Amino acid sequence: DAGVTQSPTHLIKTRGQQVTLRCSPKSGHDTVSWYQQALGQGPQFIFQYYEEEERQRGNFPDRFSGHQFPNYSSELNVNALLLGDSALYLCASRQFVGSGTYNEQFFGPGTRLTVL
Amino acid sequence: DAKTTQPPSMDCAEGRAANLPCNHSTISGNEYVYWYRQIHSQGPQYIIHGLKNNETNEMASLIITEDRKSSTLILPHATLRDTAVYYCIAPDNTDKLIFGTGTRLQVFP
Repeated sequence: DAGVTQSPTHLIKTRGQQVTLRCSPKSGHDTVSWYQQALGQGPQFIFQYYEEEERQRGNFPDRFSGHQFPNYSSELNVNALLLGDSALYLCASRQFVGSGTYNEQFFGPGTRLTVL
Repeated sequence: DAKTTQPPSMDCAEGRAANLPCNHSTISGNEYVYWYRQIHSQGPQYIIHGLKNNETNEMASLIITEDRKSSTLILPHATLRDTAVYYCIAPDNTDKLIFGTGTRLQVFP
């Protein structure tokens, strides 16, 4: 089992550009969440996808959008990049089991995005 | 979400127990306490969670006070590989984890 995989591992963009990050969830998982982690800070929740729909969203602008595919993989898109978007972007997956039951989230290694 | 407070850093000698405290005085009755850790250059890793009873698994033990206002994560025999940032989280939504800045644990030889 490869666990959660993310690509690319590193990426350099310039202000105003657009970027797409990719995530493949752990085998058997159908729910994908994205987090942004600035240097020295804890991860911040961006949004979650389940059944190809955005189910929950954190306090991030509309420049951040996503998609989930039928095979449960997911993309994070960021438009009009700002210097402040430089961060480690983490993908986490779990198997949805409904409310009242906790299934731990498995995190990928992240994509390091640098905006110049 | 209940706000959690952790010391910014701690040291522990290899082979000794590491006791990481967390205050969550505003936790509500149905909010669990979760612990994750993040080793350098990796994504966070789930460790353990609990509601009001003490919990133990192959990685750690979690001791929650009777009033549930604080908890302690115990790594019984710390190794160098346990050097990481440890996050204590008490979310009202387990799909939307709210991480603080955590405790940076340094295990030294």
